[in-house]
Amino acid sequence: GAVVSQHPSRVICKSGTSVKIECRSLDFQATTMFWYRQFPKQSLMLMATSNEGSKATYEQGVEKDKFLINHASLTLSTLTVTSAHPEDSSFYICSAPNSYGYTFGSGTRLTVV
Amino acid sequence: TQLLEQSPQFLSIQEGENLTVYCNSSSVFSSLQWYRQEPGEGPVLLVTVVTGGEVKKLKRLTFQFGDARKDSSLHITAAQPGDTGLYLCAGLTPTSGTYKYIFGTGTRLKVLA
Repeated sequence: GAVVSQHPSRVICKSGTSVKIECRSLDFQATTMFWYRQFPKQSLMLMATSNEGSKATYEQGVEKDKFLINHASLTLSTLTVTSAHPEDSSFYICSAPNSYGYTFGSGTRLTVV
Repeated sequence: TQLLEQSPQFLSIQEGENLTVYCNSSSVFSSLQWYRQEPGEGPVLLVTVVTGGEVKKLKRLTFQFGDARKDSSLHITAAQPGDTGLYLCAGLTPTSGTYKYIFGTGTRLKVLA
């Protein structure tokens, strides 16, 4: 089956710093990667869609300069939370479509202190 | 904005009881998936339904896709403590030329032993 490896699984950072989250497709080429955010006890909210070699598409209300997405290769998409603040603390999950369906990463728990 | 409303939001039942979770929308979806998510982990796919009126069974779980492909239900028979978790429906919809899954509001189930 298709596997998406997401790192780090947990990160604690100071307010004002930037954090990069990586999602790698291990055994398939991910031309598209979806990035979701999930607040405690809530559902997943789609933030943006990244496409290899082109600009990401952001959902309404998501700041593109705050959440930088790079999809430079067919196996790697990254989400960088810039100048993080406590309100950015959340669970971030990526998902990539493939021949088996949509495969999710294991998620990244970001805590900004 | 397309919304997938799930009901109930929270459900606490005794082991052995039956339950039904509903997923409703005013939009038509190409397909619909159901996921279960454990705390701190990514969602795990349970089933995908594609055809209006389709019914799929997975052991004690029965999934139904509405005739108009706007709604779905998940029925669990003789619930067990291991069924505890966050249940999410997700509808596949084309947006700006890209198919993406939009997640429902979630149903948090707790099965007491």
